Amino acid sequence: EDQVTQSPEALRLQEGESSSLNCSYTVSGLRGLFWYRQDPGKGPEFLFTLYSAGEEKEKERLKATLTKKESFLHITAPKPEDSATYLCAVRAVSSNTGKLIFGQGTTLQVKP
Amino acid sequence: NAGVTQTPKFQVLKTGQSMTLQCAQDMNHNSMYWYRQDPGMGLRLIYYSASEGTTDKGEVPNGYNVSRLNKREFSLRLESAAPSQTSVYFCASSEVGNEQFFGPGTRLTVL
Repeated sequence: EDQVTQSPEALRLQEGESSSLNCSYTVSGLRGLFWYRQDPGKGPEFLFTLYSAGEEKEKERLKATLTKKESFLHITAPKPEDSATYLCAVRAVSSNTGKLIFGQGTTLQVKP
Repeated sequence: NAGVTQTPKFQVLKTGQSMTLQCAQDMNHNSMYWYRQDPGMGLRLIYYSASEGTTDKGEVPNGYNVSRLNKREFSLRLESAAPSQTSVYFCASSEVGNEQFFGPGTRLTVL
């Protein structure tokens, strides 16, 4: 069964304290791995897509990496405005309709 | 461009009442999706429409129906609401294989 697991469930950081969020996946074949940011009371906002192991993408203080079993979202010198829930999702080879399987998310709090 | 819009933003229903959640996108995407989000459960797919004229069940379709009215609009109907359907509902759209873009959500409470 295709599955996505994110860890930790919650993470508290001090401003400037770098860390990483983990997304482990089990799929028959990976067609794409997606990272989203979700602020309270809002819909998920797209951040990155990764397609193959070894691929990396960056946006401001965020950097996403991908291996054959997991993805990491590295946050460098975070600021309070980076506080949000970060969601990971995968699209399996078996899906020809764009269906995504989501993890439960990591809620990040960055304190000033 | 408005992206993905959803109406209403909030709704309170009594058990057994019916309602339709509306979704529209202006990005000319072929595929549209309905999810529900519950604490500890993540985003779960209810129904999706890969293209205009087609709809298919997702992970949790029981108690829901959908209509792909045209390329822009995809509605979700609760025929007889139950307290277990209290949730936040998100609509999304995409081109197949690409990232999905989400609406702002509808917060539904069923008493």
